[in-house]
Amino acid sequence: SQQGEEDPQALSIQEGENATMNCSYKTSINNLQWYRQNSGRGLVHLILIRSNEREKHSGRLRVTLDTSKKSSSLLITASRAADTASYFCATDASPTSGTYKYIFGTGTRLKVLA
Amino acid sequence: GAVVSQHPSRVICKSGTSVKIECRSLDFQATTMFWYRQFPKQSLMLMATSNEGSKATYEQGVEKDKFLINHASLTLSTLTVTSAHPEDSSFYICSASRVWHSGNTIYFGEGSWLTVV
Repeated sequence: SQQGEEDPQALSIQEGENATMNCSYKTSINNLQWYRQNSGRGLVHLILIRSNEREKHSGRLRVTLDTSKKSSSLLITASRAADTASYFCATDASPTSGTYKYIFGTGTRLKVLA
Repeated sequence: GAVVSQHPSRVICKSGTSVKIECRSLDFQATTMFWYRQFPKQSLMLMATSNEGSKATYEQGVEKDKFLINHASLTLSTLTVTSAHPEDSSFYICSASRVWHSGNTIYFGEGSWLTVV
């Protein structure tokens, strides 16, 4: 099952520009995580934001969370060609059971042109 | 360094045979591991929750007799794709839940590419 949907599905920008990706989810969560995946590779954890947090920063990354709208956004500032990858949000589908079963969004394929 | 290891990273098998993929937590005990499947250019789909010492919990639509999951120890879960067919060719990723006093952290393996010919 898919918990989250991301938009846009694909994004192409010039190096130096900012990239914004959005994630919407369906059920209550304890936290939301963003991951990056280079083509054919495993997942790289970027950032975790808890349900009681509204914004979090990590280097060139900024993540926001709006639990009332059940949505999150990932902003990559001053993008680089090396940021080219797919980006996924993941939410805990069973927040009350504590099993930490993460469900992934549909993903955004980001291409940064040099 | 990696805290969750998957093996093999790539495997090619003949149609009709079975193939096993291992997922190991390297320096912690994981009572719960998860198996995902990812088709090219698609998202990760949760297949099942692997519970140490008990039966796996499968997501709707996942054939438990085809995708056998064994979690015999606190550091190892295995996924066996039985009677593999070309449509089973996919990227399989596991994750393990590490429990800290402050909460849980999920770690993902590097994934395993399965090609069925």
